[in-house]
Amino acid sequence: EVQVVESGGGLVQPGRSLRLSCTASGFTFGDYAMSWFRQAPGKGLEWVGFIRSKAYGETTEYAASVKGRFTISRDDSKSIAYLQMNSLKTEDTAVYYCTRGGLVPASYWGQGTLVTVSS
Amino acid sequence: AIQLTQSPSSLSASVGDRVTITCRASQGISSALAWYQQKPGKAPKLLIYDASSLESGVPSRFSGSGSGTDFTLTISSLQPEDFATYHCQQFNSYPFTFGPGTKVDIK
Repeated sequence: EVQVVESGGGLVQPGRSLRLSCTASGFTFGDYAMSWFRQAPGKGLEWVGFIRSKAYGETTEYAASVKGRFTISRDDSKSIAYLQMNSLKTEDTAVYYCTRGGLVPASYWGQGTLVTVSS
Repeated sequence: AIQLTQSPSSLSASVGDRVTITCRASQGISSALAWYQQKPGKAPKLLIYDASSLESGVPSRFSGSGSGTDFTLTISSLQPEDFATYHCQQFNSYPFTFGPGTKVDIK
């Protein structure tokens, strides 16, 4: 069974950093791109970005709102994708979701992890 | 960036009703559109991909149509478990934007 589980969320002050993890199971992790999405409280969904598989150079794409501040990486040996978030802003407060895939609609979502940016 | 609008933003309907939700793109996206259902506190669930293809395991009362800039999601006979928010998302070009969502609640 395909599963993705996000972790690492919490309360962080503006300007600080936080790293989220997405631990995957039930599929050959290295064969797939991995994506991140987020949803601010009471708001709609926002695509954050994704990382391609090693076969496609592990290249990344990002939303303009996070480009230059957020970095997606992966460790295929551990089946984990990461979202490194730097220079956090209050508007980054959201539930962050990890999904399998990049260029196709997301069939498999985690339960999400809440990031609260507040002083 | 391609902008998606959805209409209506919310609707009230009864069990058994036929429900149609529209998603309009600011420029042509071919058939690169997906529909998701989301219930409070839960992750989205993929219903439709490529504008009209039903995701495995999704009931056949859900259907999608459209191409270019205009798309629809139809629920042929609304069931109690269908009360939720529905989101469209385009996959034609980065960033992969979402519509603002349509909330379907009980009349």
